[in-house]
Amino acid sequence: EIVMTQSPATLSVSPGERATLSCRASQSVSSNLAWYQQKPGQAPRLLIYGASTRATGIPARFSGSGSGTEFTLTISSLQSEDFAVYYCQQYNNWPSRTFGQGTKVEIK
Amino acid sequence: QLQLQESGPGLVKPSETLSLTCTVSGGSISSSSYYWGWIRQPPGKGLEWIGSIYYSGSTYYNPSLKSRVTISVDTSKNQFSLKLSSVTAADTAVYYCASTAKLLAELDYWGQGTLVTVSS
Repeated sequence: EIVMTQSPATLSVSPGERATLSCRASQSVSSNLAWYQQKPGQAPRLLIYGASTRATGIPARFSGSGSGTEFTLTISSLQSEDFAVYYCQQYNNWPSRTFGQGTKVEIK
Repeated sequence: QLQLQESGPGLVKPSETLSLTCTVSGGSISSSSYYWGWIRQPPGKGLEWIGSIYYSGSTYYNPSLKSRVTISVDTSKNQFSLKLSSVTAADTAVYYCASTAKLLAELDYWGQGTLVTVSS
């Protein structure tokens, strides 16, 4: 099973600053990686798929990069509504699609 | 736009079977454009994919849960269902249903989730 490791576990950022979240796969997942945002009491929301393509309606301040085993989600200028937990997920390897353990972005 | 809604008991006794249904609106569950899946999240923890189904009835399960999971589809009701047998406290979680455009693809539409507690 592919293990997805996210870092850091918690990221403290001030509004307006840039946030950089990392996700590492234990083996190559090509570009078959998605990022999700989850707020308390809500379902995850798809942000990025194919490692770098924004989902419909996602603001341009969210960007994804990487391929193979190393991936990054960048939020260019954090807004108040962006404080949440972010998960990466690989969907390259059958049969299991595994998630990272999450990075919590909190207000500094 | 697809909308998904989970329903089912919020409390299940240990060793019994957890049963949930996901009702799909805004699109047909028989569409060749979607696969339908279940994901769960224990309180305060991360996400775990349980399995997926295609409208034809083809199923795909997480190997770690495969022996206890059954996912089925009812095209007449535009619903798909999850059964998880022999549950323990470790199965306590929020259960989400979701859709993917392909078998191996991102989860694009999600239900709001339903908490299932396993307790006597």
